[in-house]
Amino acid sequence: EAAVTQSPRNKVTVTGGNVTLSCRQTNSHNYMYWYRQDTGHGLRLIHYSYGAGNLQIGDVPDGYKATRTTQEDFFLLLELASPSQTSLYFCASSWNTEVFFGKGTRLTVV
Amino acid sequence: GDSVTQTEGQVTVSESKSLIINCTYSATSIAYPNLFWYVRYPGEGLQLLLKVITAGQKGSSRGFEATYNKETTSFHLQKASVQESDSAVYYCALSVGVNTGGADRLTFGKGTQLIIQP
Repeated sequence: EAAVTQSPRNKVTVTGGNVTLSCRQTNSHNYMYWYRQDTGHGLRLIHYSYGAGNLQIGDVPDGYKATRTTQEDFFLLLELASPSQTSLYFCASSWNTEVFFGKGTRLTVV
Repeated sequence: GDSVTQTEGQVTVSESKSLIINCTYSATSIAYPNLFWYVRYPGEGLQLLLKVITAGQKGSSRGFEATYNKETTSFHLQKASVQESDSAVYYCALSVGVNTGGADRLTFGKGTQLIIQP
């Protein structure tokens, strides 16, 4: 069974704070993704990667950086968090149209 | 760009009754995208419910089914008799696939909250 693990599951930070969301996949998949999910918007793609050291810009990248350090690990970085980044974040990995999601990280910026 | 439009907000259905959640799509980069239904149960990540990658075909899983209709660009989700355990958020999505350089990046609809009344 494909596995994508996100940490932390919940995070509260202050405006202007520095936050890193972590994602690890044990599927040996090349592609990994970060999405955010907001009421009324469905899921929107922030960044994605097709391998260690690679980064591709998604549809809503402003205010986010990402880094793929290994085949397994993909990080999402918010260096100056803002309340508009309060959201539910999902990481995913994929192979051949099969996309596997983590359980999500709920981030609140106060 | 690509887009997916589905029944918005919340749908309430009585247990054992039939369900339909509408989904239409528009893909600008490819004629026949891959189509998916994902489901998210409370506290869980999204799970693939069913997918169809060939226009004209039908996918089915756990009593749900959806037909890829290229004429009407639709992919409606149906179930003949819902159960309380079907309560979840359902997302229609498309991808254009790795072969077109698009990775498996998904474009989602806004999601439909399904509530089952006992």
